[in-house]
Amino acid sequence: GENVEQHPSTLSVQEGDSAVIKCTYSDSASNYFPWYKQELGKGPQLIIDIRSNVGEKKDQRIAVTLNKTAKHFSLHITETQPEDSAVYFCASRGGYQKVTFGTGTKLQVIP
Amino acid sequence: EAGVTQFPSHSVIEKGQTVTLRCDPISGHDNLYWYRRVMGKEIKFLLHFVKESKQDESGMPNNRFLAERTGGTYSTLKVQPAELEDSGVYFCASSQALTGTGFYEQYFGPGTRLTVT
Repeated sequence: GENVEQHPSTLSVQEGDSAVIKCTYSDSASNYFPWYKQELGKGPQLIIDIRSNVGEKKDQRIAVTLNKTAKHFSLHITETQPEDSAVYFCASRGGYQKVTFGTGTKLQVIP
Repeated sequence: EAGVTQFPSHSVIEKGQTVTLRCDPISGHDNLYWYRRVMGKEIKFLLHFVKESKQDESGMPNNRFLAERTGGTYSTLKVQPAELEDSGVYFCASSQALTGTGFYEQYFGPGTRLTVT
């Protein structure tokens, strides 16, 4: 089955700096890659996604890149703010609707 | 519009006991999913309902877990008898019916934290 690896597991950045989270996947049939943000006491919330026919997607301070050949995808957060502190999960969808998640990255933005 | 709700938010039970978790999806969402996150690990898929039918239950760990969605509305996940390794956070998610290419958003509930002692 699909396997998604995510790095780093924890990340601390100064407010205003950029944060990058990287993921790799194993199933070449995966065609949809969502990113989720989980705040304390809440469930994961979709923040951005990218489809396999697109290499990059940006939404304000958040961008995601996808390299299908290398099976890599990354989340970039620029001008980080304290409210960006949360656990971030990458994920992929290979088979019919089944989503496979990475292990999560705990991001801490230091004011 | 109300989001996905889960009950209880936290449950502490002893090994061998039974626990039932409940999920109420967003109204009108045909698709309902259960996931589980064991401490520090990835969120793992358990199963997927389309209305009242089980579409995919390949992630269910063993026969101690039973999921139901009678009437195609809310769903329950029963663990009987509970074991120590069942501890974790159980998430429910729902999405609209698939259309076109099938890309959709899954809306997650806040989760139920299950602790088995």
